[in-house]
Amino acid sequence: DAMVIQNPRYQVTQFGKPVTLSCSQTLNHNVMYWYQQKSSQAPKLLFHYYDKDFNNEADTPDNFQSRRPNTSFCFLDIRSPGLGDAAMYLCATSRDRVGNEQFFGPGTRLTVL
Amino acid sequence: AQSVTQLGSHVSVSEGALVLLRCNYSSSVPPYLFWYVQYPNQGLQLLLKYTSAATLVKGINGFEAEFKKSETSFHLTKPSAHMSDAAEYFCAVSDRNTDKLIFGTGTRLQVFP
Repeated sequence: DAMVIQNPRYQVTQFGKPVTLSCSQTLNHNVMYWYQQKSSQAPKLLFHYYDKDFNNEADTPDNFQSRRPNTSFCFLDIRSPGLGDAAMYLCATSRDRVGNEQFFGPGTRLTVL
Repeated sequence: AQSVTQLGSHVSVSEGALVLLRCNYSSSVPPYLFWYVQYPNQGLQLLLKYTSAATLVKGINGFEAEFKKSETSFHLTKPSAHMSDAAEYFCAVSDRNTDKLIFGTGTRLQVFP
């Protein structure tokens, strides 16, 4: 089945220790998104790629970076995680932009010690 | 700017009872509208979407939603709740001019036996 895969499902890191979360998709979608979701809140968009074009949200901290080396993979790098970065991180894809539904991965739950 | 309002952060129903989750949107033009469901520690799963075709939209798991332009509403309903419907539900709007989903704050549905 075509899907969005996130690894790992659970990630524990130490305060200030860089961490990378990965996302892959077999849907061949053009757009890939990264969201941060804290407990009992809606997902918050961090950035997205339309093909190779990177689009950063204005309020995304510089601590968060992303890479998309090819159509299938996208990475979220947190350079110096703080306690406030503990959250669920969701990757999503869509075939195109306007009007297309987004398909979500299962998420990676990040714990910062 | 587009926005979505979900009335009621928590809704409780008995098994077999009608489920009604409310969503109102603000938009000057007919938007694309979505309902997503999120189970604990999972990503978001699309229940249904409205893209200016039929105003009554049928989705998965017996859910449906009706687009009412005069009321700027897109409420989600299910005639008979199951225990397995207990989850968080998010209404979202996609602006025709952007490639972003704007989420409501979510409604947690509890189903009692």
